[in-house]
Amino acid sequence: DVKVTQSSRYLVKRTGEKVFLECVQDMDHENMFWYRQDPGLGLRLIYFSYDVKMKEKGDIPEGYSVSREKKERFSLILESASTNQTSMYLCASSFEGEQFFGPGTRLTVL
Amino acid sequence: DQQVKQNSPSLSVQEGRISILNCDYTNSMFDYFLWYKKYPAEGPTFLISISSIKDKNEDGRFTVFLNKSAKHLSLHIVPSQPGDSAVYFCAASKAGSARQLTFGSGTQLTVLP
Repeated sequence: DVKVTQSSRYLVKRTGEKVFLECVQDMDHENMFWYRQDPGLGLRLIYFSYDVKMKEKGDIPEGYSVSREKKERFSLILESASTNQTSMYLCASSFEGEQFFGPGTRLTVL
Repeated sequence: DQQVKQNSPSLSVQEGRISILNCDYTNSMFDYFLWYKKYPAEGPTFLISISSIKDKNEDGRFTVFLNKSAKHLSLHIVPSQPGDSAVYFCAASKAGSARQLTFGSGTQLTVLP
C-alpha cells in the first residue's frame, strides 16, 4: 500500500514567516508533486519533481520554492507567507499515471 | 484557460439511482484520464482511469466512458450509495515529464438516503 505522509494536518502562520511543508512517500516513486486546492478552482499544480534535485514549475509557482534532496522527500517552501497563500496543500507521488495523495495540510496565514 | 472543465459544481441523487458526473477537455494531446474522489479534510483517492485507446472502463459500481471526438468523459456510479457523497475530480494527462495531471474544478455529489 502506497503511503504519502505530510508533516502537519493544520498549520497557522503569520504574514512574512517562512513556512516549510514536508512530504514523504514510501514507494520509491520517481515523481512527486505539490498542489493547492481552493474552492471552485480544483487542484492546481505548484511544482513537481521527476528525480532527486530535479524540479519543474507547475501552473502557479509564484511565491513558492521546492527542495528534493532525497528520493522519498519533497518539501514546499513559502519564503514569505502571505494571506493569499491560505489554502489546502496536497502532496502526491507517482511512478507513472496514477498519483497517490497525502492527507493534505490546511495552512492559514494571518 | 481551463483545459479540463467540470461544469456542474454539485449534483444530488437518490440512493440506489445512477449518478452521472461529466467532464470536458480541450487539449487533444491528453491520452489518459482519471477520476478521483475526495472527502473533506482528506487527500483525493484514485477511483478509476481510462486510456484514450478505450471508450469504456468498468470497476464494480463505477464506469468511465470516453468520447474522444467530443472531448468528453463521464463517470457513472450505479447504484449510488450515501457513502459516495464526496467531491469528484476528473483529471487528464499527456505523455511527457512526470505525467502531470490537469484537474477539473470538481463536482460535489450528494447521495440522499
